[in-house]
Amino acid sequence: AAGVIQSPRHLIKEKRETATLKCYPIPRHDTVYWYQQGPGQDPQFLISFYEKMQSDKGSIPDRFSAQQFSDYHSELNMSSLELGDSALYFCASSQGGQGDTIYFGEGSWLTVV
Amino acid sequence: QKEVEQDPGPLSVPEGAIVSLNCTYSNSAFQYFMWYRQYSRKGPELLMYTYSSGNKEDGRFTAQVDKSSKYISLFIRDSQPSDSATYLCAMTGVYNFNKFYFGSGTKLNVKP
Repeated sequence: AAGVIQSPRHLIKEKRETATLKCYPIPRHDTVYWYQQGPGQDPQFLISFYEKMQSDKGSIPDRFSAQQFSDYHSELNMSSLELGDSALYFCASSQGGQGDTIYFGEGSWLTVV
Repeated sequence: QKEVEQDPGPLSVPEGAIVSLNCTYSNSAFQYFMWYRQYSRKGPELLMYTYSSGNKEDGRFTAQVDKSSKYISLFIRDSQPSDSATYLCAMTGVYNFNKFYFGSGTKLNVKP
């Protein structure tokens, strides 16, 4: 079965640079979530989109922005990168209905040097 | 206080043992409960999904929900070294069902 696809899987950026992560949800899933997971931490919710509109916002820094496109894929843009942004970034998707659960991608590992 | 509490462990057991992983929560509106398994540097993988109270069994895994106590459990029978991972509980409610609340994860180590 098709899963959530994230790209790139790994990237290395320098401080103050910009990074963009992409997420392709499971087909027919209209809700996308972004999570950040630091070493030894549980996933921290950043932001979610339902039908291309922002549906919820968590602990996403102002330096980060995200959007969901007409084909339901989503991009997380991170600017003015800091060392503390080094983490595993997960995208998850769901059908957005009551009782549906979320499925995670394999994550994008960002290292800021 | 977090909405979902989970003992971070680590929990170390010998191969073949029965493992019990638990979460407690405070919001009585939660109706849907999930367990995820996460290997190091991998995405969380959905293991079990239950609705409301009761038990659900899938192979060596049993998920149990006690809504009256706001307590959920995951039991692993005949644990294997390949079960060594971090286990995350998650839950959501009838309202605002696009918002999921996660426990902090319990790290399990099954020793051969």
